[in-house]
Amino acid sequence: AQSVSQHNHHVILSEAASLELGCNYSYGGTVNLFWYVQYPGQHLQLLLKYFSGDPLVKGIKGFEAEFIKSKFSFNLRKPSVQWSDTAEYFCAVSESGYSTLTFGKGTMLLVSP
Amino acid sequence: NAGVTQTPKFQVLKTGQSMTLQCAQDMNHNSMYWYRQDPGMGLRLIYYSASEGTTDKGEVPNGYNVSRLNKREFSLRLESAAPSQTSVYFCASSESGTAYGYTFGSGTRLTVV
Repeated sequence: AQSVSQHNHHVILSEAASLELGCNYSYGGTVNLFWYVQYPGQHLQLLLKYFSGDPLVKGIKGFEAEFIKSKFSFNLRKPSVQWSDTAEYFCAVSESGYSTLTFGKGTMLLVSP
Repeated sequence: NAGVTQTPKFQVLKTGQSMTLQCAQDMNHNSMYWYRQDPGMGLRLIYYSASEGTTDKGEVPNGYNVSRLNKREFSLRLESAAPSQTSVYFCASSESGTAYGYTFGSGTRLTVV
């Protein structure tokens, strides 16, 4: 069975600081990788996804993630966070050819103005 | 607006009561899912339906049943609610055989007292 590990449960940053959220997965086959964001009181929204090709993926709102196959990692980055980035972030994995997602436990990001 | 609609948005049940959570999508997706979200646990798959007429257990199916009524609708039933089922429930849909294009509903917040 797959599992997804997110390294940090809570992260606190000041505005303009750089962000990197770690995500590792355990599965030896071909995977599809996702980062979702959940703003307070809202449902999950897709930030970015990796299916194939360039391992550096750019998403919405200035976020990007890098797939490193040898490290089973898919870390999320943003060069300069804003107060509006305060939210919970979830990494998720699906086996290629399957549609069910396995989620990490989430990282709560608080950005102070 | 196209998307996934869940009802109700909030519900309080007494232990032992039953209820059905409704979900409908209008994107002509073949696959539908029910997840539960608990603090510090991320989202966990309860049941899914890869296509109309099929349902399969996910990671945490105990205490739940599902019905894929037609291509649009996928309901989740709690036959005898327990406090451990207090959670936020999300329905989602996607194209079959892929996690591409996952769309989540806005969630149902269920409290069992």
